[in-house]
Amino acid sequence: SQTIHQWPATLVQPVGSPLSLECTVEGTSNPNLYWYRQAAGRGLQLLFYSVGIGQISSEVPQNLSASRPQDRQFILSSKKLLLSDSGFYLCAWSMGARSPLHFGNGTRLTVT
Amino acid sequence: AQKITQTQPGMFVQEKEAVTLDCTYDTSDQSYGLFWYKQPSSGEMIFLIYQGSYDEQNATEGRYSLNFQKARKSANLVISASQLGDSAMYFCAMTGYGNKLVFGAGTILRVKS
Repeated sequence: SQTIHQWPATLVQPVGSPLSLECTVEGTSNPNLYWYRQAAGRGLQLLFYSVGIGQISSEVPQNLSASRPQDRQFILSSKKLLLSDSGFYLCAWSMGARSPLHFGNGTRLTVT
Repeated sequence: AQKITQTQPGMFVQEKEAVTLDCTYDTSDQSYGLFWYKQPSSGEMIFLIYQGSYDEQNATEGRYSLNFQKARKSANLVISASQLGDSAMYFCAMTGYGNKLVFGAGTILRVKS
C-alpha cells in the first residue's frame, strides 16, 4: 500500500532563517506531488505541484521554492523565512486529476 | 479558473440526525472531479468521497453521500446519522483538466450530544 511521510511535524524558526521540509511517498511510481499551505482556521492554498522529476509548477509568487530531486521526493524550501510564512504545510500525492489527493500529516511552522 | 464556494462557516447538528454541507463550484471545464475532505482537529486531511462530472449516479460512501446537481453546479455533502466523531472541518474541492485540486474555505461541523 502507498504511504506518505512528511517531516518534521512541528518547526519553530526565526525570521530570516532557511527552511527545508521534506516529503516522500512509498508504494507508487510517478505520482503527482503537491505542497499546500493552510493558515489557521482557513482553507488550503496550493503552493506548488509536480507531475514528474524536475517539473515544478508554482501557483503563488513568494519566497518559497520546491524541488523534486527523485520520483517520490518533494522538498519545500526557503532561503529566508518571513513571519507570513507561518502556517500548516501539507504535502500530498495523487495518481491523476480524477484521483483523490492523499495527504501527509502536515508540518506546523511558526516563524518568530 | 476553477472556484469552490462553501457558504456555511459553521454548522451544528444533533447526534444521530442528518446534515447537509453546501458546496457550489464554478468551472468552464466539461470534465472535472469533485471531492470532499474531512479535517479533524489533529490536522490530517481525510478523503471522504468523489464525484466525476460525467457520473450519472450520486456518489455514496457509507454514511456519506454527495448530492450532485450539475445544472446548478452544486455538490453538497450529506452525512447521515451524525456521530460525535464527525465534528471536524469539511472541505469541498475540485479538479479539472489540470492536475490541481482547488479547495473551498471549509465548513466547521459540530455534532451535539
